[in-house]
Amino acid sequence: DAGVIQSPRHEVTEMGQEVTLRCKPISGHDYLFWYRQTMMRGLELLIYFNNNVPIDDSGMPEDRFSAKMPNASFSTLKIQPSEPRDSAVYFCASSGGGRSYNEQFFGPGTRLTVL
Amino acid sequence: SQQGEEDPQALSIQEGENATMNCSYKTSINNLQWYRQNSGRGLVHLILIRSNEREKHSGRLRVTLDTSKKSSSLLITASRAADTASYFCATAPGGSNYKLTFGKGTLLTVNP
Repeated sequence: DAGVIQSPRHEVTEMGQEVTLRCKPISGHDYLFWYRQTMMRGLELLIYFNNNVPIDDSGMPEDRFSAKMPNASFSTLKIQPSEPRDSAVYFCASSGGGRSYNEQFFGPGTRLTVL
Repeated sequence: SQQGEEDPQALSIQEGENATMNCSYKTSINNLQWYRQNSGRGLVHLILIRSNEREKHSGRLRVTLDTSKKSSSLLITASRAADTASYFCATAPGGSNYKLTFGKGTLLTVNP
């Protein structure tokens, strides 16, 4: 299995622009998570899905952030408009498949820089 | 807010020595997990210990859990340079197995 796939790996954009981050979870996993990691705040859970349905979005910082999961193999995290304080590494993780359902598998992350 | 807090924030040891990292948390949990993150990479799951377990082993890793003190420790024995990484504890609060809260991590440096 290729593991969790995220794209792009690096994104540099200007304040006010729309940013879309993409994630492909591990096939067969029914949970998908979006995290943000910064030096100041550490690793924060933004939102997670179960069977493509958002279960908890209490970590989404503002209305500028939105996440979707149109099918079991794809999810997006969108920031519109972006601000410099959104600069961070964004991770997608997936879990499920029965055997070790609590273990989360992380993607390599997208490093976002908002100028 | 951070549920788990690791201690120490940074640890530097020589290859072959043991490394011990601690984690404290605040509320009741279903399970506690430890993850490793190499610089510039995603997190990798190491071990999970459930709230009714006290100790667990996996290779050179040993995890303990004391729910009365709301604390856990991760011991890496016979450390190697390749163990250099940040180590995070993550807790799943009571009622949820999936909503993990991570600490800020311990940066372990193993010198060859």
